[in-house]
Amino acid sequence: GDSVTQMEGPVTLSEEACLTINCTYTATGYPSLFWYVQYPGEGLQLLLKATKADDKGSNKGFEATYRKETTSFHLEKGSVQVSDSAVYFCALSPSGSARQLTFGSGTQLTVLP
Amino acid sequence: KAGVTQTPRYLIKTRGQQVTLSCSPISGHRSVSWYQQTPGQGLQFLFEYFSETQRNKGNFPGRFSGRQFSNSRSEMNVSTLELGDSALYLCASSPGLAGGVADTQYFGPGTRLTVL
Repeated sequence: GDSVTQMEGPVTLSEEACLTINCTYTATGYPSLFWYVQYPGEGLQLLLKATKADDKGSNKGFEATYRKETTSFHLEKGSVQVSDSAVYFCALSPSGSARQLTFGSGTQLTVLP
Repeated sequence: KAGVTQTPRYLIKTRGQQVTLSCSPISGHRSVSWYQQTPGQGLQFLFEYFSETQRNKGNFPGRFSGRQFSNSRSEMNVSTLELGDSALYLCASSPGLAGGVADTQYFGPGTRLTVL
């Protein structure tokens, strides 16, 4: 079945440092790929998405590129802020009518001032 | 547009009881999915409803059930609660467009269920 493997956390960075959170997936066909973020005590917020190979999703300075050849969707940001502290989830959804997200285990990011 | 709303936000129940959680999707969205989030198992898919029909189901026992109404609002029910059912239950809605590229799911704030 489908699966998502995400970089283990927690990750602690200083403000303005570069961030990379690795995500690889296993799926048949052409899934859509997502990054969601969860702040303490809240639900999940969509951060960015990509629906086909070589697509780049971007939002709030975060970027991720859908690499089919390496089955990866790594999350990157050039300069993190304290407000970026949260848990980040990589997820995939199969093509077709199914609306079933498969999530990675989540990566806790803490950014120190 | 108003986001996905879930009620109640917090619930405390005892083993053996049953519970019903409610989800109101974004206006115009016809698909509602439910997920369970626990520290041990992470985020797991429960089921999806579209146009009042269960379209997809995850690997959970029959104690977990759901339904969807004609206005797309959805409820999930857990009967005979166990301690391990303590979790954050998240609801997500999407337009539910047929076929092709999966549309984006938007999540509510969740219902925190504690089973004592």
